[in-house]
Amino acid sequence: SQQGEEDPQALSIQEGENATMNCSYKTSINNLQWYRQNSGRGLVHLILIRSNEREKHSGRLRVTLDTSKKSSSLLITASRAADTASYFCATDGTGGSYIPTFGRGTSLIVHP
Amino acid sequence: NAGVMQNPRHLVRRRGQEARLRCSPMKGHSHVYWYRQLPEEGLKFMVYLQKENIIDESGMPKERFSAEFPKEGPSILRIQQVVRGDSAAYFCASSRDRAREQYFGPGTRLTVT
Repeated sequence: SQQGEEDPQALSIQEGENATMNCSYKTSINNLQWYRQNSGRGLVHLILIRSNEREKHSGRLRVTLDTSKKSSSLLITASRAADTASYFCATDGTGGSYIPTFGRGTSLIVHP
Repeated sequence: NAGVMQNPRHLVRRRGQEARLRCSPMKGHSHVYWYRQLPEEGLKFMVYLQKENIIDESGMPKERFSAEFPKEGPSILRIQQVVRGDSAAYFCASSRDRAREQYFGPGTRLTVT
């Protein structure tokens, strides 16, 4: 079964609004990563957050990690139409393999 | 510095034919990962290779699928005797080290008719 599961499956907002996506996972992790995928394209790495970190920022992106709840959130502030994409969280494998396991993703649509 | 390159971008094969997908990692990256993505799904790990070695192939079907990453040249994912269910997007990623973030190629979309 999937290690990381994103919620919601789909999100539709207006430009300028904030978008929040959540990721839950089942087992202990070393790292959690967020990726973006535009339709028909490859994945773009957004942020990596380590298990000993609680929050990380990159431009308009803010990622939080709560290891006690086994969950992470990705917040995109002041969204733009260009943010329309699918967003995936990926947790690394157990046993130090560092093979990320991806969820099904959240499909974000930002209306201009 | 070119990113991860994959070719071809689109590949159409008839059932029973062979498909060869190529991946050139980013310069300086010696770790390559192959993933498969079905429509509306996340990426499923297939195989992890370092130069000339398969490190983890736990996600790859035992039959018809093979992967290599030779000392010289790109990594190759080979699918023999393709079936309709092999139709998917296949992504390659590379990283500098095992624990570092992965950089993805644009993918190869395989269609089996």
